[in-house]
Amino acid sequence: AQSVTQPDIHITVSEGASLELRCNYSYGATPYLFWYVQSPGQGLQLLLKYFSGDTLVQGIKGFEAEFKRSQSSFNLRKPSVHWSDAAEYFCAVGAKEYGNKLVFGAGTILRVKS
Amino acid sequence: DTGVSQDPRHKITKRGQNVTFRCDPISEHNRLYWYRQTLGQGPEFLTYFQNEAQLEKSRLLSDRFSAERPKGSFSTLEIQRTEQGDSAMYLCASSTTVGELFFGEGSRLTVL
Repeated sequence: AQSVTQPDIHITVSEGASLELRCNYSYGATPYLFWYVQSPGQGLQLLLKYFSGDTLVQGIKGFEAEFKRSQSSFNLRKPSVHWSDAAEYFCAVGAKEYGNKLVFGAGTILRVKS
Repeated sequence: DTGVSQDPRHKITKRGQNVTFRCDPISEHNRLYWYRQTLGQGPEFLTYFQNEAQLEKSRLLSDRFSAERPKGSFSTLEIQRTEQGDSAMYLCASSTTVGELFFGEGSRLTVL
């Protein structure tokens, strides 16, 4: 069965500090991988995506993620967090064999302290 | 490109009533997806369409739920005889055949 695990429910970082959000997946096909961000009461905004090729992908707002097939991981990173990054972050996995429908993790809530 | 739009954004209803949500996808997108999100959880897949054909339905989609996309453009999601457990955010997304999903702002349902 396809599944996505985000082991951290909450993370608190200081403004200006670096960030890493963890994501592990279990999937029966070659995966497409995504990170989305959601502010309270809003829809999901795509931060970045991995379909193939270079395993280090750059996204919007200074985020990047690295696909590690051997570890079934797709961790999200940012070198310096801004207060406006406070939100909930979702990792998701899909595949063309499954109609590109996405399976989401439970999310990680990021709090930024000044 | 005006993005994915959903209507209404908020709906409060009494248990047992029927509700309908509408989703207008990005115009050139042939795929449309419905998801449900409850507090503290990630979105859960409900169903998806390619053009007007409904290709997959989740086991989460009970007989009280029905979705349509009659002309391969907008879609509706109807919930009959609502229950308090139906309270959630209903998210619509659209995509091309090979692209990423673009989500709307969601329709929040509260069943009293």
